[in-house]
Amino acid sequence: AQSVTQLDSQVPVFEEAPVELRCNYSSSVSVYLFWYVQYPNQGLQLLLKYLSGSTLVKGINGFEAEFNKSQTSFHLRKPSVHISDTAEYFCAVTAFSGGGADGLTFGKGTHLIIQP
Amino acid sequence: NAGVTQTPKFRILKIGQSMTLQCAQDMNHNYMYWYRQDPGMGLKLIYYSVGAGITDKGEVPNGYNVSRSTTEDFPLRLELAAPSQTSVYFCASSYDGGVYGYTFGSGTRLTVV
Repeated sequence: AQSVTQLDSQVPVFEEAPVELRCNYSSSVSVYLFWYVQYPNQGLQLLLKYLSGSTLVKGINGFEAEFNKSQTSFHLRKPSVHISDTAEYFCAVTAFSGGGADGLTFGKGTHLIIQP
Repeated sequence: NAGVTQTPKFRILKIGQSMTLQCAQDMNHNYMYWYRQDPGMGLKLIYYSVGAGITDKGEVPNGYNVSRSTTEDFPLRLELAAPSQTSVYFCASSYDGGVYGYTFGSGTRLTVV
């Protein structure tokens, strides 16, 4: 089984400042990793994913994340945030062997609050 | 627009009542999922299906039932509603098991009183 820990429940940041949202995972097998974003009163949408290859992955809206196998982390970053980035961000994992068929395991989420 | 459609968007149930949350997708996805989202707890998998006629339990299946008679539809049934089932319910689908991402519905907010 896998588990995901998002270390911060809330992250306040000033507009145009950089941000990092932290995610650590635990698994006894190789995994795929994801970040999803949820805007108020909406469903989740995929921000980016790590499947294999380069450990730095780029996603939509200027976000990127780096997979660190030794530290079992997959932190999300953006160099300059905008008011429209205010949302809930979820890190998720699924076992490589299952191909995701039996569902994703989500972290508890990090609420990104952008201050003007 | 193609996607995942959930109905209703909001519902208030009394303890002991039953209801079905509807989920339909028009993308011909084989894989479908039901999650519940509670404040500060992330999303928990209730049930999932890898194709018509095949369903399996997720992390929190107690108090729920599902069926998958067609590729398009994946309804979630609550038989005897309890306050602990107050939550936001999301249905999701994927083509390949989720490796390339899920498509989520907009959710059903259920309150049991």
